[in-house]
Amino acid sequence: GAVVSQHPSWVICKSGTSVKIECRSLDFQATTMFWYRQFPKQSLMLMATSNEGSKATYEQGVEKDKFLINHASLTLSTLTVTSAHPEDSSFYICSAREPGRNQETQYFGPGTRLLVL
Amino acid sequence: QQQVKQSPQSLIVQKGGISIINCAYENTAFDYFPWYQQFPGKGPALLIAIRPDVSEKKEGRFTISFNKSAKQFSLHIMDSQPGDSATYFCAASKGTGRRALTFGSGTRLQVQP
Repeated sequence: GAVVSQHPSWVICKSGTSVKIECRSLDFQATTMFWYRQFPKQSLMLMATSNEGSKATYEQGVEKDKFLINHASLTLSTLTVTSAHPEDSSFYICSAREPGRNQETQYFGPGTRLLVL
Repeated sequence: QQQVKQSPQSLIVQKGGISIINCAYENTAFDYFPWYQQFPGKGPALLIAIRPDVSEKKEGRFTISFNKSAKQFSLHIMDSQPGDSATYFCAASKGTGRRALTFGSGTRLQVQP
């Protein structure tokens, strides 16, 4: 099946610094990737849709200047949390849609746990 | 507005029993309904999915039942095992555009040995 990886798996940073999270589709090309945020014991909340070669589409209430998304290639999307603060601490998960017959199927990465001190 | 409502919030089942998780949706434009399984500290993994043109889909011990008129769908886990202990999320997406998933609130399943 389709495999999606994320790097790093966890990161600790100081308040005010920026953190970049990578999402890669390993065995398929993904024109669309999604970024989610999940707080402990809660559901996944869609943050933005990453489109290869164009600007990301952000969900209502998500600051686009704080959460920078770049989808530079068909296998890589990056999420940069700029000027991170403790309230940005969360579990960030990406997903990718595999083109073809089952275009609605999304495959998720293993997630990145961010802790901002 | 919560477009996909999931229940129960938590569920305890004995080994060998049947686990049943229910979801209800509001948006009739949804046409794809997957279930995901998530273990602590991991990303969700696709279990099984259904489209509204069928009322039931079975894959191994997992079955989705779908009621289009009631706008409800459920996951049944037969012969539940301790290894099934995880959080389960239902989701839905619309047939047009980017097909973003709307998730339910999740159900924590604990299967006791």
